[in-house]
Amino acid sequence: AQRVTQPEKLLSVFKGAPVELKCNYSYSGSPELFWYVQYSRQRLQLLLRHISRESIKGFTADLNKGETSFHLKKPFAQEEDSAMYYCALSGGDSSASKIIFGSGTRLSIRP
Amino acid sequence: DAGVIQSPRHEVTEMGQEVTLRCKPISGHDYLFWYRQTMMRGLELLIYFNNNVPIDDSGMPEDRFSAKMPNASFSTLKIQPSEPRDSAVYFCASSLSVAEQYFGPGTRLTVT
Repeated sequence: AQRVTQPEKLLSVFKGAPVELKCNYSYSGSPELFWYVQYSRQRLQLLLRHISRESIKGFTADLNKGETSFHLKKPFAQEEDSAMYYCALSGGDSSASKIIFGSGTRLSIRP
Repeated sequence: DAGVIQSPRHEVTEMGQEVTLRCKPISGHDYLFWYRQTMMRGLELLIYFNNNVPIDDSGMPEDRFSAKMPNASFSTLKIQPSEPRDSAVYFCASSLSVAEQYFGPGTRLTVT
């Protein structure tokens, strides 16, 4: 069964500290993995996807197929990173699949 | 483009009443998704359409929920009768592909 697990509901770190938001997935094929973000009073939006291999707002995420993980990382947290983060998975078949979202992690950056 | 438009933004209703949520997707997008967000369950996909046709409604909680997409620029999600446990934020999203979805601002539904 397809499943996305985000074990932490809330993560609180100090400004300037490293951040790692955990995401593990279960999927039998070759999935596409994404991170979506929802800032306060804003819409949910795509942050990054694993196929792009980009760094967005200082965040990176590497797909580890051996560990079935797609953790989101940033070396130095900033206050504006405070938001709700969702890890998501799709089947990778552009003609079909829906996206499955994890339950989300609320990231709080303390000054 | 104003993005995905949802109405109303807030809805408060009494148990047993019918609720209709509305969504206007981004022009040209051929996928439309309805999600429900709660603290306990996070973001759940209820149903999605491709070219106005429902593709997967396995996330619709029960027969009280129904969704329609009569044309490419409009969709509704209806709950009849509503119950307090339906209280949540309901999001509509649209996309050109399944992957990059554009979300609306959401409708916060409170059923008393």
